[in-house]
Amino acid sequence: ETGVTQSPTHLIKTRGQQVTLRCSSQSGHNTVSWYQQALGQGPQFIFQYYREEENGRGNFPPRFSGLQFPNYSSELNVNALELDDSALYLCASSLEVRAGGPDTQYFGPGTRLTVL
Amino acid sequence: GESVGLHLPTLSVQEGDNSIINCAYSNSASDYFIWYKQESGKGPQFIIDIRSNMDKRQGQRVTVLLNKTVKHLSLQIAATQPGDSAVYFCAENRGQAGTALIFGKGTTLSVSS
Repeated sequence: ETGVTQSPTHLIKTRGQQVTLRCSSQSGHNTVSWYQQALGQGPQFIFQYYREEENGRGNFPPRFSGLQFPNYSSELNVNALELDDSALYLCASSLEVRAGGPDTQYFGPGTRLTVL
Repeated sequence: GESVGLHLPTLSVQEGDNSIINCAYSNSASDYFIWYKQESGKGPQFIIDIRSNMDKRQGQRVTVLLNKTVKHLSLQIAATQPGDSAVYFCAENRGQAGTALIFGKGTTLSVSS
């Protein structure tokens, strides 16, 4: 177990709705990254938060947004849901960003989002 | 485009055999590589990592080899067990600390007893 938790486990929404997914990082970690994993594919980077600020973003539209809180937990918000947003949403936490190189990212169990 | 990819989508082995899962990458600037194991319905689980200043790293029953000349990465699992059955992903991180992991599509390892 990594100590990274996500909620909810499963979620069903309809097209056009909005959704908020939550992630609690591993103790001592202050960086959270979000990924989208479509069925049969590898995870795709959405964005990363470091000390409450966005620290990099992948090729996702602005309707994907996020927050990080002072306790380093994080939210992923998706507006105007589309059918293609159906996927497993993963968050990963890592240690403080430092100049020595990338830090290992540890993943939570994911939230399975289904858009009807 | 530049991407991390795996040579084979599936690999079937017998219990007790050694397994080798391969991965090719195209960006010579990549300097950090990670192998993850993902079981059905779960998030990716960290197995082992390697930085570009090394060519081999060993863990418990696993070894990662990095060949920067041909941009190739492999994961060797010794004495494969049924519990090793999962999808294995290689991922690369391109340079800056804490930035995105780029994943390949994965290899499904099936272990029969």
